[in-house]
Amino acid sequence: KQEVTQIPAALSVPEGENLVLNCSFTDSAIYNLQWFRQDPGKGLTSLLLIQSSQREQTSGRLNASLDKSSGRSTLYIAASQPGDSATYLCAVHNDMRFGAGTRLTVKP
Amino acid sequence: NAGVTQTPKFQVLKTGQSMTLQCAQDMNHNSMYWYRQDPGMGLRLIYYSASEGTTDKGEVPNGYNVSRLNKREFSLRLESAAPSQTSVYFCASSEDRASPLHFGNGTRLTVT
Repeated sequence: KQEVTQIPAALSVPEGENLVLNCSFTDSAIYNLQWFRQDPGKGLTSLLLIQSSQREQTSGRLNASLDKSSGRSTLYIAASQPGDSATYLCAVHNDMRFGAGTRLTVKP
Repeated sequence: NAGVTQTPKFQVLKTGQSMTLQCAQDMNHNSMYWYRQDPGMGLRLIYYSASEGTTDKGEVPNGYNVSRLNKREFSLRLESAAPSQTSVYFCASSEDRASPLHFGNGTRLTVT
């Protein structure tokens, strides 16, 4: 049974800081891994999908990495802004399971 | 381009009442999913449909039924609502299980 864990549950940083969010999974037989953003009371917005054959995927200030052998993915956010404040979730594509998310607050 | 549309947006039920949550996608996706989101627990898969005519249980299927009415529509039914089913319900679709998930805006359900 796939277990997906995101640590920390919450993170607060000052504006401008670079930061890393973590996602770990127990079963390395995944198709892909997808990162989402969720604003309070809203739906999920897809940020990046990283395929199982890829090591990294980039979109603007975001960079996602994937290490299947160690069961880990990271989402790197460069030069954080207050508008980045949201909950970030990862989902593994085989069992379609989600982590519980990391609630990010970027302080002006 | 509507994407994934869920109705209703909000619903309040009394214990024992039944209701159906509707979901439709206009992206010609094969796979559709129902999730529930509870505080601090992320999203948990209730049921999914890999293709038209098929449905399978997810992590938390008890108390729910689903119908893949056609390729566009996937409904979730609560036959006898319980307070433990108070949650936010999300529908999602994808071309297949390796492709990006696209989500609707959710239905906030309260069972009293």
